[in-house]
Amino acid sequence: DSGVTQTPKHLITATGQRVTLRCSPRSGDLSVYWYQQSLDQGLQFLIQYYNGEERAKGNILERFSAQQFPDLHSELNLSSLELGDSALYFCASSSRTGFSGQYFGPGTRLTVT
Amino acid sequence: QKEVEQDPGPLSVPEGAIVSLNCTYSNSAFQYFMWYRQYSRKGPELLMYTYSSGNKEDGRFTAQVDKSSKYISLFIRDSQPSDSATYLCAMSVGGSEKLVFGKGTKLTVNP
Repeated sequence: DSGVTQTPKHLITATGQRVTLRCSPRSGDLSVYWYQQSLDQGLQFLIQYYNGEERAKGNILERFSAQQFPDLHSELNLSSLELGDSALYFCASSSRTGFSGQYFGPGTRLTVT
Repeated sequence: QKEVEQDPGPLSVPEGAIVSLNCTYSNSAFQYFMWYRQYSRKGPELLMYTYSSGNKEDGRFTAQVDKSSKYISLFIRDSQPSDSATYLCAMSVGGSEKLVFGKGTKLTVNP
């Protein structure tokens, strides 16, 4: 168990809908990263937050947004969903003191029908 | 050219074999290197991390980084059926920055 939690585990929704994925980092970690994993693209970085502020953006679609709250949990919002958004979404967190890698949550499996 | 290349396999070995997994990369700015293990439909599990060049050993696992060749390796000694998983290499420029992943190598260790 990495200490990173994600809810829900599975999400099935229809095209055009909006969903929210939630992540709680490891205790004490200030950085949260969101990644998308699909069969053809592999694991791709979406966005990073550090202590409530956006730190870096990857190839995140404009239909996607995220935020990090004062208690450091983060939410990833996906709107106007398309079939191609079906994927595994992971969040990860990293320590504020020194480098020790990123620790991943169990993921949310999103299926858009 | 992709930033990180990893042979997807699949790789099948008998129990007890030494396994060698490799990645090459093109961005010479990468300084931090990681190996993750991912079981089917689970989150990636951090196995090892290294900074810059050199070797690092942890039990049956050894990670090597050769920055001059832009090549990293993970060796698994005395492989076990429980090692059957997909192994992902990942790297970053800074210690608190996004990870760039290889596509992963699927490993099966047969009893």
